[in-house]
Amino acid sequence: EEQLVESGGGLVQPGGSLRLSCAAPDFIFTGSWMSWVRQAPGKGLEWVANIQQDGSEKYYVDSVKGRFTISRDNAKNSLYLQMSSLREEDTAVYYCARGGGIEAPKNFDYWGQGTLVTVSS
Amino acid sequence: EIVLTQSPDFQSVTPKEKVTITCRASQSIGSSLHWYQQKPDQSPKLLIKYASQSFSGVPSRFSGSGSGTEFTLTINSLEAEDAATYYCHQTTSLPWTFGQGSKVEIK
Repeated sequence: EEQLVESGGGLVQPGGSLRLSCAAPDFIFTGSWMSWVRQAPGKGLEWVANIQQDGSEKYYVDSVKGRFTISRDNAKNSLYLQMSSLREEDTAVYYCARGGGIEAPKNFDYWGQGTLVTVSS
Repeated sequence: EIVLTQSPDFQSVTPKEKVTITCRASQSIGSSLHWYQQKPDQSPKLLIKYASQSFSGVPSRFSGSGSGTEFTLTINSLEAEDAATYYCHQTTSLPWTFGQGSKVEIK
C-alpha cells in the first residue's frame, strides 16, 4: 500500500556514512515538501529534516545539523538523506514522508515502509 | 522546542468501548496538531489533521478535537483492528515534534 519506497539502510560503524534514498510516484512528489522521520527501536517518532519543493529551503532537527544533508532530484522523483559522522543514537528506522513543510498542508499524509539504519561497531 | 505529552501511555480496552487519548502541548499551537496510528511493524498512518479534520478514508469512529494546548483523539466503538500506538504531532514551530505515543490494546 505504501507508495514511497526507501532504500539504502544497513549496518555502519560509528563515524561512518550512509545515503538513504526514497522513490515516489509523480503525484505524491511533484510540488510537495518532503521529510525524513525516524524511529529508534521501541521508541517514538522523531522528525529529522524537510526540504521545499525546489530544494531551496531545508530544515533539520538540531541533533543532526552539520551531519545530515537532505536533498531531492525532481527529475527522478527521488528524495535523499546523506548521513555522515553517524552515532549509535542515530540507529533507527528512517521513513520518507510527504509533507512537514512550513506551508500548509504540514501533516504527513504519505509514508514509506521505512529503512533500518544500525550504527554499531 | 514544543513538547507534546500524551495520556495515558497505555490502555487495555474492550471492543465497542470508547477510547480517549489526550495530547497536551507545552505552549499554544492553535490547531496545528495531527494524529497518526501506527500498528506493529507498519509505518504510521494519518488519521486526523489540524486537530479535527478527518483524513480521507479514515473510519468515522475516529475523531479529533481541541485547540491551543489541549487536544483529544476519540475512537468511538473500538474495533479489534484499532489495536495500535497513536501519536500526536505539532507543526506550529520547528522542530516539528511528536508525542511519546499512546498504546491501545484490545482486551
